[in-house]
Amino acid sequence: GENVEQHPSTLSVQEGDSAVIKCTYSDSASNYFPWYKQELGKRPQLIIDIRSNVGEKKDQRIAVTLNKTAKHFSLHITETQPEDSAVYFCAASWPNDYKLSFGAGTTVTVRA
Amino acid sequence: DTGVSQNPRHKITKRGQNVTFRCDPISEHNRLYWYRQTLGQGPEFLTYFQNEAQLEKSRLLSDRFSAERPKGSFSTLEIQRTEQGDSAMYLCASSLGSGKGSDGYTFGSGTRLTVV
Repeated sequence: GENVEQHPSTLSVQEGDSAVIKCTYSDSASNYFPWYKQELGKRPQLIIDIRSNVGEKKDQRIAVTLNKTAKHFSLHITETQPEDSAVYFCAASWPNDYKLSFGAGTTVTVRA
Repeated sequence: DTGVSQNPRHKITKRGQNVTFRCDPISEHNRLYWYRQTLGQGPEFLTYFQNEAQLEKSRLLSDRFSAERPKGSFSTLEIQRTEQGDSAMYLCASSLGSGKGSDGYTFGSGTRLTVV
């Protein structure tokens, strides 16, 4: 199956600064890339996703960029707030496939 | 809350016992997934249903694991003869798939299994 690597594993940022998480995938055929946020003890929640026919997508303070040539995609959080503290997971999926292959997660801590 | 519901939230069982978990997806969602998550890792795919048909099972799903989705509504995941290595969070997710390929999931809060 698809192999997704995520970096860094932990990230500490000052409130108001930006946070960037990067994921690489192994199969160039992958075409769907969602990001999930999981707060402690809670369910993973979809925060943004992108398909391979788009290079960038934004939703308020969150953006995802996709570089198909390099096979990596990144999550950008601007103007971080304490409520952004959570574990973030990237994932990838093949065309005509329904399952997601997840990265190992990044623990983001926003310092007040 | 009209999201994905999972029961029980926590289950402690002795090694060798059988356990069953239930997932109630969002009612209009036709796709249902089971994932397993261990500490410090991302969710790992176990199995997938489209309506009542189980379309794919991971190699992670040994013969001790079985999942059903009768009538295409709720789903159950049963683990027979539990082992300590089965201890994990079992997550259910659902989605409204209208075409081929993956789409955004809604996850449940999971069932945390501890095998002692």
